[in-house]
Amino acid sequence: EVQLVESGGGLVQPGGSLRLSCAASGFTLSSYWMTWVRQAPGKGLEWVANIKQDGADQYYVGSVRGRFTISRDNARNSLYLQMNSLRAEDTAVYFCAREQTSGWTPDYWGQGTLVTVSS
Amino acid sequence: QSVLTQPPSVSAAPGQKVSISCSGSSSNIGNNYVSWYQQLPGTAPKLLIYDNSKRPSGIPDRFSGSKSGTSATLVITGLQTGDEADYYCGTRDTTLSIGMFGGGTKLTVL
Repeated sequence: EVQLVESGGGLVQPGGSLRLSCAASGFTLSSYWMTWVRQAPGKGLEWVANIKQDGADQYYVGSVRGRFTISRDNARNSLYLQMNSLRAEDTAVYFCAREQTSGWTPDYWGQGTLVTVSS
Repeated sequence: QSVLTQPPSVSAAPGQKVSISCSGSSSNIGNNYVSWYQQLPGTAPKLLIYDNSKRPSGIPDRFSGSKSGTSATLVITGLQTGDEADYYCGTRDTTLSIGMFGGGTKLTVL
């Protein structure tokens, strides 16, 4: 059974940093692109970033480019999101998701971890 | 403001049919596959439709998807109260090399 479990969320002050982790099991992580998606309270889904199977390529939505870094450790079955220079508008539940082998589509999702940016 | 446009809400009675639209452009829907997600309150999104019209294993055939040009549509037939949820379309933007979602549509089963 495919499982994705996020951790690392919490309360952080504006300008601070946080590192999210996503533990993957039930499939071979090294065979899949992986994605982070976020959802601000009461709002819709926002695609954040994704990373190629070997970590060589990463893509980011404009609002986080230069502040967030997506990475992975296939040996540890883990995906990460390093978030720096956090802003109030980054407050959201962050989901990690696996992409289908055929393309962009996130198919399996974790339950999410809440990040709150506030003083 | 999402690049992919969905109606904020739709409603219909149990047993009826409802359609949810998703409108984009040539750089996203027009040249990429569309997927649809169901999000029940307090839960993670669930994949309903991928590659415009395919259903993952376990998704009932009451859910169907289609695409024409730069728009896509999710159709739900035989509505049930358990279908009350938020529905999102998603695709990739070829120009920006990023993913994107519609703003979401809240389905109410009256």
